[in-house]
Amino acid sequence: EVQLLESGGGLVQPGGSLRLSCAASGFSFSSSAMTWVRQAPGKGLEWVSTSGSGGSIYYADSVKGRFTISRDNSKNTLYLQMNSLGAEDTAIYHCAARKEGNYFDYWGQGTLVTVSS
Amino acid sequence: QSALTQPASVSGSPGQSITISCTGTSSDVGGYNYVSWYQQYPGKAPKLLIYDVSNRPSGVSNRFSGSKSGNTASLTISGLQAEDEAVYHCCSWTSTSWVFGGGTKLTVL
Repeated sequence: EVQLLESGGGLVQPGGSLRLSCAASGFSFSSSAMTWVRQAPGKGLEWVSTSGSGGSIYYADSVKGRFTISRDNSKNTLYLQMNSLGAEDTAIYHCAARKEGNYFDYWGQGTLVTVSS
Repeated sequence: QSALTQPASVSGSPGQSITISCTGTSSDVGGYNYVSWYQQYPGKAPKLLIYDVSNRPSGVSNRFSGSKSGNTASLTISGLQAEDEAVYHCCSWTSTSWVFGGGTKLTVL
């Protein structure tokens, strides 16, 4: 059974930092592109960042220079280091796995990040 | 990249068919056959329903179908069931990233 389990969310003050993790199991993590997608309260989904299986990395303009995506294939874990957080970053952060095509095969339930003083 | 446009809500009675639209531009929906649809229940993970405009993953009911015309993609759910009440998200590849719609809440009356 495929599982994606996010952790690391919480309450952080504006300007602060947080590191999210996504533990994967049940599929070939190392050969999958892994992505972070967020969902602000009452809003739609927003693509944040992707780590390709071959090492390529992409960021949405809204987080470029502040967020860093990384992965540890030996631990089947995806990370998102988030710095200089602002209220606009408040959201549920989902990790998602993409096997081959331009769509997301598997998703996690997400971890809530709240940026507030 | 602007979000794709979906209706905020749609509704239908059991047994009926409904269609949810997803409008983008020639840079996303209209430019690629890489539209996907996801179903999400409250507090749950999104689930892939349709990929590459009209393909269903194994295990997804054939009551769900997708199509595209120009810059607008559509998800049709036939034979509505109570369990279909959820939020539906569309998504398109844009050559450098992905863009999602705002989500559509389906209410089964």
